[in-house]
Amino acid sequence: EAGVTQSPTHLIKTRGQQATLRCSPISGHTSVYWYQQALGLGLQFLLWYDEGEERNRGNFPPRFSGRQFPNYSSELNVNALELEDSALYLCASSLALVAGYFGPGTRLTVT
Amino acid sequence: QKEVEQDPGPLSVPEGAIVSLNCTYSNSAFQYFMWYRQYSRKGPELLMYTYSSGNKEDGRFTAQVDKSSKYISLFIRDSQPSDSATYLCAMTEGNKLVFGAGTILRVKS
Repeated sequence: EAGVTQSPTHLIKTRGQQATLRCSPISGHTSVYWYQQALGLGLQFLLWYDEGEERNRGNFPPRFSGRQFPNYSSELNVNALELEDSALYLCASSLALVAGYFGPGTRLTVT
Repeated sequence: QKEVEQDPGPLSVPEGAIVSLNCTYSNSAFQYFMWYRQYSRKGPELLMYTYSSGNKEDGRFTAQVDKSSKYISLFIRDSQPSDSATYLCAMTEGNKLVFGAGTILRVKS
């Protein structure tokens, strides 16, 4: 069974641009979670989507947004990129409430 | 004060040693307790999860939860160089995972 996949692996953008990151969950999983892992800050919860709806978001500004498609894949958009947005962005999927199974991440570098 | 405290290490042990990794937490509402392993430049991999206080064993790994002390541990027996990674504890608050900072473990051969 295929795991969570994310694309692209690496993304380099300049300050002020927009970034789009994509995630495909494990087949049958309806929930998708996004996390930011910045150096020295650990994993921070960004967004949770379930059945196409945004269910919860972490303490991030509105320029972090996303959506979930009918096939449960998801997209994270980051507008007006700032240098401190440079991080590994991880997507996780789950079927139940508990644990998430993570993808390999997208490393975003903002210059 | 962070909700979940975890010593970042690094923790360096010889091959074959018993490793003890720990987290403390302050939020009594946390329900599930997880341990993830993360290799460099990879996503976290779920190792174990538990709900209640007590011990849960899976091969060389034992997860221990003490809700009265708000303290969780992961023990690794007969540690191997392949166990070298960052270990993250995580706890659920509703549908959100709250992570510790992670402990870097190095097992020397």
